[in-house]
Amino acid sequence: GNSVTQMEGPVTLSEEAFLTINCTYTATGYPSLFWYVQYPGEGLQLLLKATKADDKGSNKGFEATYRKETTSFHLEKGSVQVSDSAVYFCALLIQGAQKLVFGQGTRLTINP
Amino acid sequence: DTEVTQTPKHLVMGMTNKKSLKCEQHMGHRAMYWYKQKAKKPPELMFVYSYEKLSINESVPSRFSPECPNSSLLNLHLHALQPEDSALYLCASSPLGLSTGEFFGPGTRLTVL
Repeated sequence: GNSVTQMEGPVTLSEEAFLTINCTYTATGYPSLFWYVQYPGEGLQLLLKATKADDKGSNKGFEATYRKETTSFHLEKGSVQVSDSAVYFCALLIQGAQKLVFGQGTRLTINP
Repeated sequence: DTEVTQTPKHLVMGMTNKKSLKCEQHMGHRAMYWYKQKAKKPPELMFVYSYEKLSINESVPSRFSPECPNSSLLNLHLHALQPEDSALYLCASSPLGLSTGEFFGPGTRLTVL
């Protein structure tokens, strides 16, 4: 089956620290991979995506590289800010399917 | 216009009430979705509409009734809900056939008393 596994949170960092949130997947086809962010009290926002192996998605200082050999799509940011505090969801979409498969989410808190 | 809007933002209803949630997008997307999200959990897919036709129903109880009147609008009619149905209800849209990801609305926070 298709599934996404994220590192368990919560994750607490100090401002300007380096961030990594791990995401691995299993998929029966060739998935597209996504990171969504959910700020408190809001809906999900698409943060970045990658549609094929070795693609790198990037947005707002966040990056993730689609690694087919390790079936991973880890989210990274070089210097986090308090405003990055949110829940981050990794997700996959199988080509031709109509439903996203989400990971469990990782809650990130950045302290000043 | 690059957003999905949802109304109302908050809704409190009794178990005997009938209410509706509304969702609208003007991005020309031909797929629209309803999700339910409980606290500290990922969204759970409920329904998918493609070209205004219901294409996926994830075995959702009949007290939830979706409707897609046109390509821009999506409704979720609620009747005889239970307290455990209290959650954040998210609408999303996407182009069909493209791996662009889904665009989510801000959600309706529903409380069933």
